[in-house]
Amino acid sequence: AQRVTQPEKLLSVFKGAPVELKCNYSYSGSPELFWYVQYSRQRLQLLLRHISRESIKGFTADLNKGETSFHLKKPFAQEEDSAMYYCALAPYNNNDMRFGAGTRLTVKP
Amino acid sequence: EAGVAQSPRYKIIEKRQSVAFWCNPISGHATLYWYQQILGQGPKLLIQFQNNGVVDDSQLPKDRFSAERLKGVDSTLKIQPAKLEDSAVYLCASSFRATGLAGGPYEQFFGPGTRLTVL
Repeated sequence: AQRVTQPEKLLSVFKGAPVELKCNYSYSGSPELFWYVQYSRQRLQLLLRHISRESIKGFTADLNKGETSFHLKKPFAQEEDSAMYYCALAPYNNNDMRFGAGTRLTVKP
Repeated sequence: EAGVAQSPRYKIIEKRQSVAFWCNPISGHATLYWYQQILGQGPKLLIQFQNNGVVDDSQLPKDRFSAERLKGVDSTLKIQPAKLEDSAVYLCASSFRATGLAGGPYEQFFGPGTRLTVL
């Protein structure tokens, strides 16, 4: 069964501090992993995905198949990073996306 | 390009009433998705269309929920009759296709959602 777990519902850091949003998954196969973000009063949008290996807005995420994790990291958080973050996975051969419950990140000045 | 459009944005109904939501995907996107997002949870996929055919509706409560995409463009999601536990945000998303030949799942683009309150 596909499952995505985000253990922290809320995460608060100060501006300039490092931030890590945790994501663990269970899936019997090779999934594609995603991070979606929803800023206040905006739509849910893709932040980054594993296959792209990109850094978006200073965020990176590393897939650890041994620990089945896909944690999102940023070395220096900014106030504009405050948002709701969702980890998601989809099988590589279809787009049956499963989302975690989300982590609300607040970056304090 | 214009994004995914949804209407209405808000709807309040009483239990046992019927309700319908409309979605217009990004032009040229073959795949369309409906999600249900209950407060405090992540989006849950209800149904996936490829053009006008259903790809996956395994999580759609078919006793009360129905969806169609007759001409392969716009889609409607209906609840009949509604229950209190149907209160949620209903999100529509679209992607160019479900998956590419070598690139895995295509990015899904989301609409603003319809917030349904069942009293």
